[in-house]
Order: sequence, then structure tokens, then C-alpha cells
Amino acid sequence: QKEVEQNSGPLSVPEGAIASLNCTYSDRGSQSFFWYRQYSGKSPELIMFIYSNGDKEDGRFTAQLNKASQYVSLLIRDSQPSDSATYLCAVYGGATNKLIFGTGTLLAVQP
Amino acid sequence: DGGITQSPKYLFRKEGQNVTLSCEQNLNHDAMYWYRQDPGQGLRLIYYSQIVNDFQKGDIAEGYSVSREKKESFPLTVTSAQKNPTAFYLCASSIDPPDRGFSYNEQFFGPGTRLTVL
Repeated sequence: QKEVEQNSGPLSVPEGAIASLNCTYSDRGSQSFFWYRQYSGKSPELIMFIYSNGDKEDGRFTAQLNKASQYVSLLIRDSQPSDSATYLCAVYGGATNKLIFGTGTLLAVQP
Repeated sequence: DGGITQSPKYLFRKEGQNVTLSCEQNLNHDAMYWYRQDPGQGLRLIYYSQIVNDFQKGDIAEGYSVSREKKESFPLTVTSAQKNPTAFYLCASSIDPPDRGFSYNEQFFGPGTRLTVL
């Protein structure tokens, strides 16, 4: 079982729709959870982080964390073509004290 | 402007050659990291440093070496022992060293160096 798992996609949504990106992790001791956006050929950019169970909203982005289910998600409301990118889930803490990355989900927003 | 810079943006290496990738940050962050990204494999940790003159191996350190003589700088050398070095190399930094108690460990990335073996 991979430490951090994401569906590789592509996830295709129409412009204006809600995009839902999901991530599961294996280490129950994990402490903090991050979403990075990576455009093709560029470096990852931190867009959201969450530490506590529940929802955290920032503009069009909402991160959701459920530690009991070991599940973290990112919702993007009113998706725009400029949101088209690979979204990396990263999990920190637990046994390794390292930031562990998933392989990313490719999001394609269709105009 | 505060940030992380990496140079060069593109680098070509011949067989048997060592090359050094530069990473500099002016964020006053204690911790710095090197990752390698290959298609479909996500980011893998090569080395990290929590403090000047100290560094630890990550998951794929073989064939790489680093130094941390200054807080701002963490260069990575890809040696000839690294058999498959073609990849996208990313440097990152965070305020809190990961092993110093509880840390949220928000890491910020430089623009990356794309290394190709000829």
C-alpha cells in the first residue's frame, strides 16, 4: 500500500463546475496535510494546508480532512481553465517526520 | 523579494561527469530539502538539512552529495555514481526543521532544475 494515494486522472470538469480531488494516507500518526498545484514544467506551489478535522476554506478552495478515515480532499468551486494542473497531496508527520507526496491528480477544466 | 532560487534552469550532463545544482533561499528558513521528480512517480526526497553543517539522507541519496556551509545555500552534486540522473530536481525550504518537535513543515519550492544526461 502506498503511503499517500491519489487517482492519477485526468479528472475532467466543465468550466464553472466543482472539482473534487481526493487523497488517502496510510500513517494514522500524520499531523499535517498539504495541497500543491503544479503546472506542467513548473515547480509545485502550496495552495492549501489543513491540520484539524473538518473543512478549511480559502477563496474558491476548500480542504477537507477526516483523520478517522485517513482521507483528505480538495474542492475547487467555479473551476476555471487556469486551474488545469496536477494537484499533489502531501502528508507530514507520523513515523517518518518527512513530507510524503502522492503522485498527483491531473485536473483538466474544459472551457 | 523573498524566495528560493535554483540554477541553472536546464543542465546537461555527459556520462561520468559530476554536476552541481545550486539552491539559495533568503527566507531565513532553517530547513532545506532536495527532491527528485520523475514522470508518474511524484516527489522523492534525496537529502535534507535542518541546520548549518548538518544534513541527513532521504529515501534516494545514493549517487548524490550535499553540503550546508551557509544557512542560505544547499547545493546538490549529482555524481557519476547516479546511474539514472535525468529528472526534474526541486529544492525546498521550511521554517521549522522536521525533527525539532511538532512541526507543521510547510515547505516552499524553488523553480527547479531539469537535468538531462547526454
